[in-house]
Amino acid sequence: QVQLQESGPGLVKPSQTLSLTCTVSGASISSGTYYWSWIRQPAGKGLEWIGRIYTSGGTNYSPSLKSRITISIDTSKNQFSLKLSSVTAADTAVYYCARGVIGTSPPDPWGQGTLVTVSS
Amino acid sequence: SYVLTQPPSVSVAPGKTARITCGGNNIERKSVHWYQQKPGQAPVLVISYDSDRPSGIPERFSGSNSGNTATLTISRVEAGDEADYCCQVWDSSSDSYVFGSGTKVTVL
Repeated sequence: QVQLQESGPGLVKPSQTLSLTCTVSGASISSGTYYWSWIRQPAGKGLEWIGRIYTSGGTNYSPSLKSRITISIDTSKNQFSLKLSSVTAADTAVYYCARGVIGTSPPDPWGQGTLVTVSS
Repeated sequence: SYVLTQPPSVSVAPGKTARITCGGNNIERKSVHWYQQKPGQAPVLVISYDSDRPSGIPERFSGSNSGNTATLTISRVEAGDEADYCCQVWDSSSDSYVFGSGTKVTVL
């Protein structure tokens, strides 16, 4: 059974770059059957899709975040990563990673999430 | 970009039926997915492709999609169904997923 676990700094200063990693266990990230995704949720608010990456390296990004996002994949470590640049307090949220079947299938399952706070 | 509209809250008595709507322009042309999220937990997929139930999801959960509204129906509601429910679609015009704002279901 696949499991995903987010990791990274819980506190990031404004204007800096937020960096998170999702470690996948129970499945190979190299499988071409899946995509690997990031989603976030500010406290008390709804879910916001950030983007996804395929094993091939192809990506889709949220139009509203596209200029600040980079999602990458490391098949040797069975991990994929998120970088969000020029963060502000509005980027404070719980960040989730998730897997989906290639195409337009919904992300499932998800990791437990990690809280990232942007503050000086 | 595509917008999904959900009511902020729905209240239902135990044993009754809860219906949670998700509105969008010609949403019937899209596949709608539904997630359940309990406090402090990650979302769990309860309905995919309008009406498919993933393995392990009770038959009490069902979905439909017609016109401009998709609906998640929870029959014979139990206290454990109290959670936030969120719809999601793939927006081909922007090549991105879109989530609804979520509906809090309260079991009276």
